[in-house]
Amino acid sequence: ETGVTQTPRHLVMGMTNKKSLKCEQHLGHNAMYWYKQSAKKPLELMFVYSLEERVENNSVPSRFSPECPNSSHLFLHLHTLQPEDSALYLCASSQDSPHSPNEKLFFGSGTQLSVL
Amino acid sequence: GQQLNQSPQSMFIQEGEDVSMNCTSSSIFNTWLWYKQDPGEGPVLLIALYKAGELTSNGRLTAQFGITRKDSFLNISASIPSDVGIYFCAGQYEGGGADGLTFGKGTHLIIQP
Repeated sequence: ETGVTQTPRHLVMGMTNKKSLKCEQHLGHNAMYWYKQSAKKPLELMFVYSLEERVENNSVPSRFSPECPNSSHLFLHLHTLQPEDSALYLCASSQDSPHSPNEKLFFGSGTQLSVL
Repeated sequence: GQQLNQSPQSMFIQEGEDVSMNCTSSSIFNTWLWYKQDPGEGPVLLIALYKAGELTSNGRLTAQFGITRKDSFLNISASIPSDVGIYFCAGQYEGGGADGLTFGKGTHLIIQP
């Protein structure tokens, strides 16, 4: 148990569906992240939030829409996804600013997404 | 952007064997991190290294920060079944934070009975 909880664990959706991934951290951290993990590729940083403000968006397509209503919760809203978006989506948190040196990431278990 | 070369991609070993894996980079890093990902779970931090030449242990795991600051090694001694998983290295450049981590592609460790 890392203190970062993601739901659902598995999600299958059609290309016309709208769904949301949820992440909650119980660590009192101030920064939260979305990563995409595809087979045989390094972890890809998608979005970073620090104190509920988006500080980074790594050229992610607009069909992915993040939301951070408070420092404990992070959502990833999905719509009109493509089959190549199938991957494990990992949420992470860190204690202080994402720009602070030596900040450590604490990951959730991920949502395994399949787009049909 | 910076890239990390992590090798080997996968390892098939017998229980009790020692394991070695490494990451190399074309760029200098200030911090090296090693994570392990169990099947169906997210990565968990194993060891963090902050100084060139640093050697740090965590139980049966030992990691080293290369002198050139462009590489790092992870060794596992006397492997056991629960060591199965994917091991990732991650590098952080000088002045970079958690948002500047570069990850390797991972080493899959498989232990044959």
